[in-house]
Amino acid sequence: EAGVVQSPRYKIIEKKQPVAFWCNPISGHNTLYWYRQNLGQGPELLIRYENEEAVDDSQLPKDRFSAERLKGVDSTLKIQPAELGDSAVYLCASSDYLQGDGTEAFFGQGTRLTVV
Amino acid sequence: ELKVEQNPLFLSMQEGKNYTIYCNYSTTSDRLYWYRQDPGKSLESLFVLLSNGAVKQEGRLMASLDTKARLSTLHITAAVHDLSATYFCALIQGAQKLVFGQGTRLTINP
Repeated sequence: EAGVVQSPRYKIIEKKQPVAFWCNPISGHNTLYWYRQNLGQGPELLIRYENEEAVDDSQLPKDRFSAERLKGVDSTLKIQPAELGDSAVYLCASSDYLQGDGTEAFFGQGTRLTVV
Repeated sequence: ELKVEQNPLFLSMQEGKNYTIYCNYSTTSDRLYWYRQDPGKSLESLFVLLSNGAVKQEGRLMASLDTKARLSTLHITAAVHDLSATYFCALIQGAQKLVFGQGTRLTINP
């Protein structure tokens, strides 16, 4: 079974430029997460989707970040314009509904963004 | 707001030794996850702990959960170099939100 696929793996851009990341979750997973991981820290949630609905975007900087999940499958995360502080690894994860039976979230390999 | 704290944040140890990583959390949660992350790689799920007193073991790693103390431990037995990685604990807040600790960077020296 294919895992969570993200692209690109690496991206270097100049500040003020736009950038987009793409995520293809595990087939059948209704929940999709975007996390940001700064160097030496744990992942922090940016946005969570249930199917095509963004149900938790409280930590998404909406002035420059946007996300979409068309048809409840693939998702894109966009930053426009990028700032130096946006340099981080952006992780996508997907899961079935996390129930008490031990369902877990599976992570993609991430996109390492460097803003110069 | 759920807070998750791990300690130590950095751990350097010799092969063959035993050690424990601690994960404390601030509010009730009924599920705790342990993940491993190798440098430049994504997170790999190790354990899911669902109830008070739960204990799970895989090879040289054993995880336990004490929901009354709001504490989980990840115990490493007779460490080997291949276990060098960063280990994260994470808990569910509300519905479906995974909240991570800061991570423990483990280095095992031959």
